[in-house]
Order: sequence, then C-alpha cells, then structure tokens
Amino acid sequence: SAVISQKPSRDICQRGTSLTIQCQVDSQVTMMFWYRQQPGQSLTLIATANQGSEATYESGFVIDKFPISRPNLTFSTLTVSNMSPEDSSIYLCSVINAYGYTFGSGTRLTVV
Amino acid sequence: LAKTTQPISMDSYEGQEVNITCSHNNIATNDYITWYQQFPSQGPRFIIQGYKTKVTNEVASLFIPADRKSSTLSLPRVSLSDTAVYYCLVGLNDYKLSFGAGTTVTVRA
Repeated sequence: SAVISQKPSRDICQRGTSLTIQCQVDSQVTMMFWYRQQPGQSLTLIATANQGSEATYESGFVIDKFPISRPNLTFSTLTVSNMSPEDSSIYLCSVINAYGYTFGSGTRLTVV
Repeated sequence: LAKTTQPISMDSYEGQEVNITCSHNNIATNDYITWYQQFPSQGPRFIIQGYKTKVTNEVASLFIPADRKSSTLSLPRVSLSDTAVYYCLVGLNDYKLSFGAGTTVTVRA
C-alpha cells in the first residue's frame, strides 16, 4: 500500500489565521481525498483532489474556507483559512491505488 | 450509498472473541462491505472486505448472510492493542468512502 507523510502532525493556531497542511505520498496516485474528524466524531469528507483539475468539494465545504492544491501526482495541500475554534479537528488525507485506500496519520489542529 | 448501523460501543476482555454486527438494509447488488480500524491519533486502516458468505484473513473474519442486509466482523482472542474504533462501510460513491459513527471497542485486562 501507499505510504503517506502528513505535516504538521499537530498545531495550535490563533483564530483568524490560516494553516496549510501537506500530504506527501510515496507513489503517484490519481485521487487524493481530504477528511475532517471533529473531536469524538467520525470522518467527514471535505473534498476530492485530482491532479490537473479543481478540487471537488462536498456539501458544507467551500473553496474559500478550504483551498486545496494538487500540483502533481504525489502531493497535495489543504489550507484551513480564517480559522475559528470550531475548526479544531483532525484533518486527514487519503489516497487510493491498486491496493486500496490508505490514510495519513492526520493533523491535529487546535484553534485558540 | 447504503446507510449502516452499528453499536456505538462494546466492551470486552483480553482473550475473548468480539463480534460487531453492522446493519445495511439498503445494500446494492454491486456493493462490497469493508471494515476499517482506527486507533487514536492515527488514520483508519483497512481490516477486511467481503461480498458474501465468509472471508477470513490474519486479523479478522467477516460473516455475511445470504440476504447481505447485515455483516458481522469477528475479532478472535482480542488483546489490549485491539482497542480502537471499527467502521463498517458499504459501497462507494465515485470512489469516495462514507464513514458512519463506528463502534468503539474497549478491551480490558
């Protein structure tokens, strides 16, 4: 399966600021996904990021709040913009390849 | 996507077998049933997948009755390290996984 490196692993940020989360994969993958996991909750899909096209956002998530870049087949970033305490969550990236789905370890974000 | 229902939590002791049943009444003909495991501070990890009858791997067994409206994940002889959240997923929507609430399994010594 793919190996995913997600950075940072955790961060504490001031409200009103932005944080960019990086997801690096050890192999080329077509589809990458970004999820949010709020405290004590399950995973919710934010968007699908395909190389060479705009990310596709799920209902309730917008590009202005969660801009995504996908410059090549091994890398993607998710930015959480103008943060508020409600954005405190774990953010995870995921990829799919011939072996199935792999998830990163997540970025634990605390907004104060 | 088929809606899934599974118990919120289950407690067990080391060495016991844990069985988690997931209901998915609206499963489609082409849907596979997949279980993921998530430890604290980690992303979900694939455990097992099946379509019908029984599937077994080195980690777990998956039992699926003929009507496929439910499935049971069986964890044999659990240890403390099996304490995790277990998610039952059914089907895909454009390759997108849809996670339900999951079952928190707590294994005690």
